[in-house]
Amino acid sequence: DQQVKQNSPSLSVQEGRISILNCDYTNSMFDYFLWYKKYPAEGPTFLISISSIKDKNEDGRFTVFLNKSAKHLSLHIVPSQPGDSAVYFCAASGNDYKLSFGAGTTVTVRA
Amino acid sequence: GAGVSQSPSNKVTEKGKDVELRCDPISGHTALYWYRQRLGQGLEFLIYFQGNSAPDKSGLPSDRFSAERTGESVSTLTIQRTQQEDSAVYLCASSLLAGGSKNIQYFGAGTRLSVL
Repeated sequence: DQQVKQNSPSLSVQEGRISILNCDYTNSMFDYFLWYKKYPAEGPTFLISISSIKDKNEDGRFTVFLNKSAKHLSLHIVPSQPGDSAVYFCAASGNDYKLSFGAGTTVTVRA
Repeated sequence: GAGVSQSPSNKVTEKGKDVELRCDPISGHTALYWYRQRLGQGLEFLIYFQGNSAPDKSGLPSDRFSAERTGESVSTLTIQRTQQEDSAVYLCASSLLAGGSKNIQYFGAGTRLSVL
């Protein structure tokens, strides 16, 4: 049962433009959301997170937006850079230790 | 160490053989997790250790899979009588806090298992 879904397997964006990655979840008990970035042959690296008490969290070029009523979150990368080319995973947790992950979105930033 | 360390990085084995994968978590992290990532899919939770509590084994796909952890340090994931469908990247993660907000898990680079 896939509780976290990333419906776009890939995204191609020109350098300097905005990348928008989307994530939907089904479990209303989720209250903490994370984005991880993964390069080939490396483990996922924590990027940014948001608690359900907020609707926006910003860290440099990365902003995560949370819409609890729609059970939807998104990651914005502005401006996109070639080093941002990677697989991005959305993850969610409730009041326990488990993270539920989406299948990932592969971002390619074109020069 | 500075990060989560996993060994081996790659493992090729024959169907029916047993394999053992190792994880060294970040020093001081009490929580340790194993995940599996099949090609083109997300991370699938396998097992969780927290301190001296009984591990949560609810994600283990079959009784061929087992894991142990020595105190709050090294963990080993063992797969007995490997099958081709066990081929995947096995990822280990550790975290300082084991629940609720800010449960940020830090991952190793994974072990790529190929069962021929």
